[in-house]
Amino acid sequence: ETGVTQSPTHLIKTRGQQVTLRCSSQSGHNTVSWYQQALGQGPQFIFQYYREEENGRGNFPPRFSGLQFPNYSSELNVNALELDDSALYLCASSLDSTGAGANVLTFGAGSRLTVL
Amino acid sequence: ELKVEQNPLFLSMQEGKNYTIYCNYSTTSDRLYWYRQDPGKSLESLFVLLSNGAVKQEGRLMASLDTKARLSTLHITAAVHDLSATYFCAVDPRTNAGKSTFGDGTTLTVKP
Repeated sequence: ETGVTQSPTHLIKTRGQQVTLRCSSQSGHNTVSWYQQALGQGPQFIFQYYREEENGRGNFPPRFSGLQFPNYSSELNVNALELDDSALYLCASSLDSTGAGANVLTFGAGSRLTVL
Repeated sequence: ELKVEQNPLFLSMQEGKNYTIYCNYSTTSDRLYWYRQDPGKSLESLFVLLSNGAVKQEGRLMASLDTKARLSTLHITAAVHDLSATYFCAVDPRTNAGKSTFGDGTTLTVKP
């Protein structure tokens, strides 16, 4: 059983640029959530994708966008990068966000973005 | 807006001692999670608590949930160095499974 894989692991961008981060979900999981973790803080929910549709969004501006593909992999796109976007971006997959039971997130190792 | 508060944020303790980390949350929920994060690593799931009075134990860690008080605790028994890490609690809003709100974490350092 493969876990959640993310790429790239590290990247450096300058203000105003655009970035795409990629995530492959754990085998058997159909839901992908993205989180932003600033240094010294807990992860903050960006959005979730279920069956290729956005299924909930946190308090992030529209320049944060995403996609989910038929194989349940996902992308996070951030346009017009700002210095405050520097953070660890975590992708997490889960089995089904509509179920009544536990919805334990399996996290990837993250993509560390530095904006200069 | 759901808020999750953990305390303490930093905890330094000696090996062999006991301590409790507290997690308070602001709105009704019946899904609470505890995660562990080692420096430079991702988050690892420790416990899932789904009902009032739920108690889960794994090794030297025990987690409990009181939904009426909106409080979860993570109790550490006879701490060892390997438990040094940052511990996060996370809560799902009742109508938004999987869209967890995290606390800011408790960084635990266990000293010999």
